[in-house]
Parts: sequence; C-alpha cells; structure tokens
Amino acid sequence: LAKTTQPISMDSYEGQEVNITCSHNNIATNDYITWYQQFPSQGPRFIIQGYKTKVTNEVASLFIPADRKSSTLSLPRVSLSDTAVYYCLVAPNAGNNRKLIWGLGTSLAVNP
Amino acid sequence: DVKVTQSSRYLVKRTGEKVFLECVQDMDHENMFWYRQDPGLGLRLIYFSYDVKMKEKGDIPEGYSVSREKKERFSLILESASTNQTSMYLCASSFRVVPGQGNKEQYFGPGTRLTVT
Repeated sequence: LAKTTQPISMDSYEGQEVNITCSHNNIATNDYITWYQQFPSQGPRFIIQGYKTKVTNEVASLFIPADRKSSTLSLPRVSLSDTAVYYCLVAPNAGNNRKLIWGLGTSLAVNP
Repeated sequence: DVKVTQSSRYLVKRTGEKVFLECVQDMDHENMFWYRQDPGLGLRLIYFSYDVKMKEKGDIPEGYSVSREKKERFSLILESASTNQTSMYLCASSFRVVPGQGNKEQYFGPGTRLTVT
C-alpha cells in the first residue's frame, strides 16, 4: 500500500518560489497524485493533480519524475496569503475511492 | 458556486450521547466522504459512500456509522460518543471516478469541531 511522506513545515518569504516534495515510494500504476491547500477553519481545497511529468495551472505546477516515487508541488512567487497547510494525496483512478492515501500535511509559513 | 454544508461548526456533547453530524452537497455528486482531522495525524477517512444507500468503511470506522438516504445528504453517527472522538470532522463530495480520466476533485465542507466531555 502506498504511503505518502512530506515535510512537516517549511518557511519562505514573499516573492520566492516554494517547492514542497511528497514521497510515495509504493505508488501503484493507476494512482494519481493530487495536492490540496487548507487554511485555518476551512476544509481543504484542490490545487492540482497529475499522473506523470509536469502539470501547470494558474496557481501551481506539479512535477512528477519518471519513476513516480515522488512529486513536487511548486508555488511561484508566494505571498502572505499562501500561508496554509498543503496535503499530498495518492489515490487510484478506479471505482473504489476508499484507497485514499493522504500525507500528514506541510505547514507553509510565508514571511514578509 | 459549489457548496458542501455541515450542520454545525461547533458541537459539545457528553460521553455516551448519540451524535448526528449532517452534510449536504448541492453539486449532484455521487461520492461523499467523512473524515476526521487531528493534529499530527492529518486526514483520516471514516466512511465513504458512492451512491444512495451504499457505504464503505474507511480507515477508522470503529465507533461510527453512516447513513445516505438521499444523494445530497450524508450523515455521520456516533452511537455512543466517547472523549477520544473529540476532533474536527470534515465532509467532502466528488463526482464518480471515470477510469483513465484522473481522480475527481473533492469539495470539502467547513468542518464541525466536536468536543465530547
């Protein structure tokens, strides 16, 4: 069964690029990788999803190497409002959504 | 705007009470989830439902049950609340997964912070 490991916390400054890496050594062939963002007193919110190589949207990029044993969420030019907890999720693209492997979250603090 | 609502933001109950947590989504999603979130433990899946009247146990179902009589509503029941069930409870919903098209985004409610004394 896949297990996801991510750093507990990270610090950054406004305007910097932040990269958060999630390790998932036992990822299965039909697993996808998804990242969520959570602010205090709110539920998590979807950021980005990928299967392999690179995916980019208006808020982030996701880099997945060929062996897919890790993934890196990249946040360009962070601002104070990016201070949040970021979760990595590995889950199969199959009918049974019960096999959801969540990381424990990375608490990102963006400083002025 | 998509919406998942939970019946209470804060709830205080006594040990042994029966507790109902309600979740409603307005997006016609097939899948609904109940999680609990504790410091240092991340999100843990309690139960999952993929259709009306259908349910599957998640990682920590002990002490909980669920009910899904209508597509938009998913209830979490604590038959006899205990202090170790003090936690943040999060409900989420998503469309059904289509093989080959990635996983569907989960939409979360704001959470219910339950305290059992």
